[in-house]
Amino acid sequence: SQQGEEDPQALSIQEGENATMNCSYKTSINNLQWYRQNSGRGLVHLILIRSNEREKHSGRLRVTLDTSKKSSSLLITASRAADTASYFCATDAYGYGNKLVFGAGTILRVKS
Amino acid sequence: DGGITQSPKYLFRKEGQNVTLSCEQNLNHDAMYWYRQDPGQGLRLIYYSQIVNDFQKGDIAEGYSVSREKKESFPLTVTSAQKNPTAFYLCASRRDAKNIQYFGAGTRLSVL
Repeated sequence: SQQGEEDPQALSIQEGENATMNCSYKTSINNLQWYRQNSGRGLVHLILIRSNEREKHSGRLRVTLDTSKKSSSLLITASRAADTASYFCATDAYGYGNKLVFGAGTILRVKS
Repeated sequence: DGGITQSPKYLFRKEGQNVTLSCEQNLNHDAMYWYRQDPGQGLRLIYYSQIVNDFQKGDIAEGYSVSREKKESFPLTVTSAQKNPTAFYLCASRRDAKNIQYFGAGTRLSVL
């Protein structure tokens, strides 16, 4: 399977704390993306980082990418109860033809 | 209001029955995708279409069929050959070469 892995599988934090989730993948990539899924809903794109970038910010989100280790991390700062959701990394793998490979996801619960 | 519309939200299949899940988009995107999501897992690609009248199998196409007669529509049929169809099905479309995907709200399929 080309599917990547994410850890932790589940994360529970208090409102105001930072949440960090990690993603590992197996092949060379064009870019890596993070998506959010609220329970029982579709996925929403959060942020994209290209293979030649090492860090990217968007609001309270910070993404890092280490292509030598084939890994990425998503940091959500000053978390809110509304951040409670599942978070998935997805890789646009080189030579895989406009398809995304999704990780298994991290379930984040932010307690108020 | 642009987006992807999936219907129905819930669907029940009887033994030996074929059922069709609808996916319509008004985003003018060329490429569309169908994914299956099982509990605690990431998304797995069933079929995708890069252009009208053309589609390719994904990683788990057995027991499914699709058509792409119009740019706006990409219906998925779950056939009786799919022995374990209970899952959450997500349709998506791709905006551009970065492969950012936009998702519908999903259809939850159960077996009676």
